[in-house]
Amino acid sequence: QQQVRQSPQSLTVWEGETAILNCSYEDSTFNYFPWYQQFPGEGPALLISISSVSDKKEDGRFTIFFNKREKKLSLHITDSQPGDSATYFCAASEDTGANTGKLTFGHGTILRVHP
Amino acid sequence: DPKIIQKPKYLVAVTGSEKILICEQYLGHNAMYWYRQSAKKPLEFMFSYSYQKLMDNQTASSRFQPQSSKKNHLDLQITALKPDDSATYFCASSQWGGYTLYFGAGTRLSVL
Repeated sequence: QQQVRQSPQSLTVWEGETAILNCSYEDSTFNYFPWYQQFPGEGPALLISISSVSDKKEDGRFTIFFNKREKKLSLHITDSQPGDSATYFCAASEDTGANTGKLTFGHGTILRVHP
Repeated sequence: DPKIIQKPKYLVAVTGSEKILICEQYLGHNAMYWYRQSAKKPLEFMFSYSYQKLMDNQTASSRFQPQSSKKNHLDLQITALKPDDSATYFCASSQWGGYTLYFGAGTRLSVL
């Protein structure tokens, strides 16, 4: 059972455009949502994260929008740069008071930014 | 310099054999994890260790055994390898209870 879904599978934008990556989840107990960025040959690296008490989190050109009622979130990358070309993973975890490091990942969105 | 070292980067094994994947972290973290990424599935949590003790195990098979000889080491022994075990195995670390996981570059395992 896939608990975290991402769309689209791949996305191509031009340099300077805004890329929008979507994520949805099923488990209502999820309350922490990190996005990871992965370049070929490397491990995933935390990009930005949000908890369920917020509806928006911004960090430079990266913004997460979160809709708890619909169980959806999106990552907006403004002024996209060729260096942003990577795979982006949406993940989720639940705060049980004893985080065990278990994250549930989506399949990822491959982003290509053309110069 | 990479702070989480995984060795080897690539590994080819024959069905039925046994392999050990190595992971060392130099971030001063007290928790380490193994995740698996296969062609058809997203990154999957396998194990978490804190202070060299198993905290969570989400693998269904006993063929996967983590081994922690030092607090900054968490190796993964896989026995009786099957072609379905082919995947990239990622080691990660964090402070226990923290939400930011740091991942290594992975070991890509191919089982023929």
